[in-house]
Amino acid sequence: GAVVSQHPSWVICKSGTSVKIECRSLDFQATTMFWYRQFPKQSLMLMATSNEGSKATYEQGVEKDKFLINHASLTLSTLTVTSAHPEDSSFYICSAPGPNGYEQYFGPGTRLTVT
Amino acid sequence: AQSVTQLGSHVSVSEGALVLLRCNYSSSVPPYLFWYVQYPNQGLQLLLKYTTGATLVKGINGFEAEFKKSETSFHLTKPSAHMSDAAEYFCAAHSGNTPLVFGKGTRLSVIA
Repeated sequence: GAVVSQHPSWVICKSGTSVKIECRSLDFQATTMFWYRQFPKQSLMLMATSNEGSKATYEQGVEKDKFLINHASLTLSTLTVTSAHPEDSSFYICSAPGPNGYEQYFGPGTRLTVT
Repeated sequence: AQSVTQLGSHVSVSEGALVLLRCNYSSSVPPYLFWYVQYPNQGLQLLLKYTTGATLVKGINGFEAEFKKSETSFHLTKPSAHMSDAAEYFCAAHSGNTPLVFGKGTRLSVIA
């Protein structure tokens, strides 16, 4: 089956620094990838849609200048949390539609802790 | 716009009892429907999915769900709960190559 990886799986950073999270489709191409955020004991909320070769589409309330998304190739999307603050601490999960078009494949998630 | 409603943020059952987790969707077109399970500090694991065809869908770990268009429902069931089933369960839907919309989740507790 289709596999999506994320790196790193967890990261701790100091307030004010930037953190980059990678999302890779390992055995299929993904022109679109989705980034979700999950706060403790809450559901997944879509942050943005990453599009290969064009700008990302952000959901309402998500700061595009703070959460930089780059879809560098057909297998890689990156999310950079700039000037991170403790309130950005969360579980970040990416997904990509698989070759069949209806199933989405999720990465294992990245736990970000900002101190 | 797509929306997914999970009735009951927390469900508690005895080991060996029936598990029923409820999910309703709102869509102008029949969506693709999914159930995921999430264990603490882990990612999502797909339990089962409905795309087209048979409305009763069987998934992993003995779970199944039935798509009922007339009720816009996709409830998840398991005949006999096991302690290892204790986790967070999410119902989700989309209508094509679009982002998944998730329900708020239901935490399942299994009592020995």
